[in-house]
Amino acid sequence: AQTVTQSQPEMSVQEAETVTLSCTYDTSESDYYLFWYKQPPSRQMILVIRQEAYKQQNATENRFSVNFQKAAKSFSLKISDSQLGDAAMYFCAYLNNNDMRFGAGTRLTVKP
Amino acid sequence: GAVVSQHPSWVICKSGTSVKIECRSLDFQATTMFWYRQFPKQSLMLMATSNEGSKATYEQGVEKDKFLINHASLTLSTLTVTSAHPEDSSFYICSTRSGRSNEQYFGPGTRLTVT
Repeated sequence: AQTVTQSQPEMSVQEAETVTLSCTYDTSESDYYLFWYKQPPSRQMILVIRQEAYKQQNATENRFSVNFQKAAKSFSLKISDSQLGDAAMYFCAYLNNNDMRFGAGTRLTVKP
Repeated sequence: GAVVSQHPSWVICKSGTSVKIECRSLDFQATTMFWYRQFPKQSLMLMATSNEGSKATYEQGVEKDKFLINHASLTLSTLTVTSAHPEDSSFYICSTRSGRSNEQYFGPGTRLTVT
């Protein structure tokens, strides 16, 4: 079974600074998708960024970017110019066929 | 993105009773919907995959007779927690997935408290 590991239960960043959240996964597949979701206190899951495994170029969405290392099975999320509204739980997710698996999550705190 | 609604958003029920949670896909027809459970400070755990017009597929360890899933139309899936117990208290989230983009859209969740 595919597993997703987020080794940082909690992270903290100063407002306007940059923070990187780690994610590794285990799979024997070559074609799959990776996602980062944000879950604020409202608990609504919000898509932050997605990456197709067949694409070598790292995905970028405004202040959010990923470092996708397929061989190392690593998919980290970098948040630049952190804002107070970025404070939330962040979940890394892996999708292959109909099987989506989530990591345990990283709670991000943003200090003013 | 697609909108997924859930009803109710919060429900309290007594132990031994049953409660139904509705999940609606408002923007597109969803042949497949997913039901997740999230305990406090934990991740989302897939409970079952709901298939329109056929039986749901349950994950290992999830009791299909306790968590009844009905996906009678392309826009509605329901999860019924039967004979609820306090340990069933959790946050239940449904989602749909776009077949084109593989993007998954989540409902706002339902908080179930069993007293």
